[in-house]
Amino acid sequence: DAKTTQPPSMDCAEGRAANLPCNHSTISGNEYVYWYRQIHSQGPQYIIHGLKNNETNEMASLIITEDRKSSTLILPHATLRDTAVYYCIVRVGRNYGQNFVFGPGTRLSVLP
Amino acid sequence: GAGVSQTPSNKVTEKGKYVELRCDPISGHTALYWYRQSLGQGPEFLIYFQGTGAADDSGLPNDRFFAVRPEGSVSTLKIQRTERGDSAVYLCASSLTPGTGLDNEQFFGPGTRLTVL
Repeated sequence: DAKTTQPPSMDCAEGRAANLPCNHSTISGNEYVYWYRQIHSQGPQYIIHGLKNNETNEMASLIITEDRKSSTLILPHATLRDTAVYYCIVRVGRNYGQNFVFGPGTRLSVLP
Repeated sequence: GAGVSQTPSNKVTEKGKYVELRCDPISGHTALYWYRQSLGQGPEFLIYFQGTGAADDSGLPNDRFFAVRPEGSVSTLKIQRTERGDSAVYLCASSLTPGTGLDNEQFFGPGTRLTVL
């Protein structure tokens, strides 16, 4: 699986949009971009995933650049409960039992 | 709706002892994963089960670590002759059948915090 690069930490004001970047310059054509987050003392939680097109769900939006070498996770209106470590992972879709390879992630602090 | 559960939530043991960590996946999930997370790091893959069989155990660090899933649901991670370096949070995750396109999301349990003194 391709490696990803994320900033180690970010701050965001409550109510503002949080934009979390991820670089995955060696991504392959069949690899998807996944985002998970981990709130303190809990297991990781799935947020969103995508291949080429931008994706949106009730939690977040995922913007993938046209060359697919980077992406941004957007939390449109961050709340204090969004404080967590966010992991960007690239992995082949159609999970034939493939595990996720987690990096250190970005620690997002939402400030009041 | 029950999620993935893990017991115990905390386990303290002495160096050299044997421990068992249990995972109850979401009902109907055929795939089950074990990960280990050290402080300040992301989860690290240990082993993956499809049904009762271990389809990928490439992440197990050595032969002191072993896992079973005899009936294709509950899984037990077993660690023999524990060492201080085994101290970590052990996470279990489950998902729907791989290869169906419905399994992109792995559902994680809260983990078991293992401390080896």
